[in-house]
Amino acid sequence: DQQVKQNSPSLSVQEGRISILNCDYTNSMFDYFLWYKKYPAEGPTFLISISSIKDKNEDGRFTVFLNKSAKHLSLHIVPSQPGDSAVYFCAASDHSGGGADGLTFGKGTHLIIQP
Amino acid sequence: SQTIHQWPATLVQPVGSPLSLECTVEGTSNPNLYWYRQAAGRGLQLLFYSVGIGQISSEVPQNLSASRPQDRQFILSSKKLLLSDSGFYLCAWTNYNEQFFGPGTRLTVL
Repeated sequence: DQQVKQNSPSLSVQEGRISILNCDYTNSMFDYFLWYKKYPAEGPTFLISISSIKDKNEDGRFTVFLNKSAKHLSLHIVPSQPGDSAVYFCAASDHSGGGADGLTFGKGTHLIIQP
Repeated sequence: SQTIHQWPATLVQPVGSPLSLECTVEGTSNPNLYWYRQAAGRGLQLLFYSVGIGQISSEVPQNLSASRPQDRQFILSSKKLLLSDSGFYLCAWTNYNEQFFGPGTRLTVL
């Protein structure tokens, strides 16, 4: 049972336009959500996160939106740049156990920025 | 600042051979540590986590094991590798909310 789902394996966006990556979750106990960016043969790097008490968090070109009622979050990248081409993972955590548990990841979306 | 190291970077092992992957963290004390695996076409799967020396929690049944002999050292092992153990292994530490990953080890079992 996949608790974090990224239904788009890949996404192609023109340079300068907006990239929107989507993520859905099923576990209502998740209270913290994160986005990671990963290049081939490297570890994921943390991008941005959002707590369940918020519905939006912005950091430069990256904005994450959270819709708790729909159990849906999205990552917006504006404007998209060639260096943004990578696999993006959505992740979630449940702090009810004290925060030691690991993250639950989606399968990732491969974002391709076209010139 | 905190840094996390993993070695080796790549490894090719025959089926049935043992495995030892090492992870160390610098710049923090008593971190929570994690082992993840990314298999081909799949997301990151949590394998083990540790909240302290000698404390290991396993998330999935498998032929892998983990140990934490020192505060900032986390080791992933196997006595006999299977073909299905091939993948990209990642170690991570947490500051409670975000997790920060090491560079990973690419393991190929032939």
